[in-house]
Amino acid sequence: DVVMTQSPLSLPVTLGQPASISCRSSQSLVHSNGDTYLKWFQQRPGKSPRRLIYKVSNRDSGVPDRFSGSGSGSDFTLKISRVEAEDVGVYYCMQHTHWPRTFGQGTKVEIK
Amino acid sequence: EVQLVESGGGLVKPGESLRLSCAASGFTFSSAWMTWVRQAPGKGLEVVGRIKSNTDGGTTDYAAPVKGRFAISRDDSKNTLYLQMNSLKTEDTAVYYCVTDLMDVWGKGTTVTVSS
Repeated sequence: DVVMTQSPLSLPVTLGQPASISCRSSQSLVHSNGDTYLKWFQQRPGKSPRRLIYKVSNRDSGVPDRFSGSGSGSDFTLKISRVEAEDVGVYYCMQHTHWPRTFGQGTKVEIK
Repeated sequence: EVQLVESGGGLVKPGESLRLSCAASGFTFSSAWMTWVRQAPGKGLEVVGRIKSNTDGGTTDYAAPVKGRFAISRDDSKNTLYLQMNSLKTEDTAVYYCVTDLMDVWGKGTTVTVSS
């Protein structure tokens, strides 16, 4: 199975400051069709996960533009340009290039 | 409104069975590949398995921990997805989410507790 490794696992951030989460995969996530299937999810406390980003850098409808995804191959990053109070929660990366789909361990974002 | 509503969770003993259901609405369910994802208490997310649309063969794939014990099926006439869970183990205790295969729509989840 492809192992997804996120860092850090805990991220205390000051309101209004940027935040960055790294996600590395044990294998390249480039599909044979040329696409890279890496998604990012946000899970607010007590809620279901919500997809934020698909195919590395495509933001879902309704997702604030302070969220951005980047990366290639096996190295990816989720950035929040200015953290707001509503961004508190756990963030997961997930690959769906290979079966089984696998998630990172999650990064808990909290306000300092 | 696109919606997925899970049901069927509960408390069962190890070795027992349970069937979860997921009612879909607001989108063309018959065309959708569907996935079950679970989350153990205080833990991360784990894909349990998926089922393709019947037009794409209707085949299923499972994660290793549940292969041979769990079975995913669908009834497109009822817009409903199922997860049959047999030989349940304590480590199957989790919230089970019904999710579109693209992971863009999630249900609220249903809780399964396996305990003696």
